[in-house]
Amino acid sequence: AQSVTQPDIHITVSEGASLELRCNYSYGATPYLFWYVQSPGQGLQLLLKYFSGDTLVQGIKGFEAEFKRSQSSFNLRKPSVHWSDAAEYFCAVGPPNDYKLSFGAGTTVTVRA
Amino acid sequence: GAVVSQHPSWVICKSGTSVKIECRSLDFQATTMFWYRQFPKQSLMLMATSNEGSKATYEQGVEKDKFLINHASLTLSTLTVTSAHPEDSSFYICSARDVRGDTQYFGPGTRLTVL
Repeated sequence: AQSVTQPDIHITVSEGASLELRCNYSYGATPYLFWYVQSPGQGLQLLLKYFSGDTLVQGIKGFEAEFKRSQSSFNLRKPSVHWSDAAEYFCAVGPPNDYKLSFGAGTTVTVRA
Repeated sequence: GAVVSQHPSWVICKSGTSVKIECRSLDFQATTMFWYRQFPKQSLMLMATSNEGSKATYEQGVEKDKFLINHASLTLSTLTVTSAHPEDSSFYICSARDVRGDTQYFGPGTRLTVL
């Protein structure tokens, strides 16, 4: 069975500061990994995904994530956050070629001026 | 990017009535669509997988007779909540997998409130 853990329920960062959101997964092999962002009352937007290859993945809106097999982690980072980055962030994992995703509990990001 | 729409965006209904939610892939074909349920401040829980032209596959604990899913075409899947009750109030989100790729695209969600 696959599972995802996002250890941080809520993170507050200052605008312009760096951001890192943690994600750990449990799966027997290398799964497909995703980060999604959800604004209040909205659906999910894909930030980036990892299937194979280069373990540092670049996404939209200046986000990147690094897959570390040894740590079963897929942490999301952004060097300098903007007020518009305030949202809920979800890490998700799915078996290769099977699109049934399991989501973490989410991390709420608050950006202070 | 690919766009998935949901209709309605919100609905309020009386207990005992049925509500239909549509999920459409607007600019791509989707052989597989997924239905999720999200409670406030919680993550998404997969309810069922919908494949075009075949019966949906429901996750454990999801009542298939209560949550009817129809995937009639490559661009449309519907979720009908039958005999809705207040505990069915939730945010329902669909996603669609592009047949050409490995990515799910999510709809904006439908807020269901059952009085």
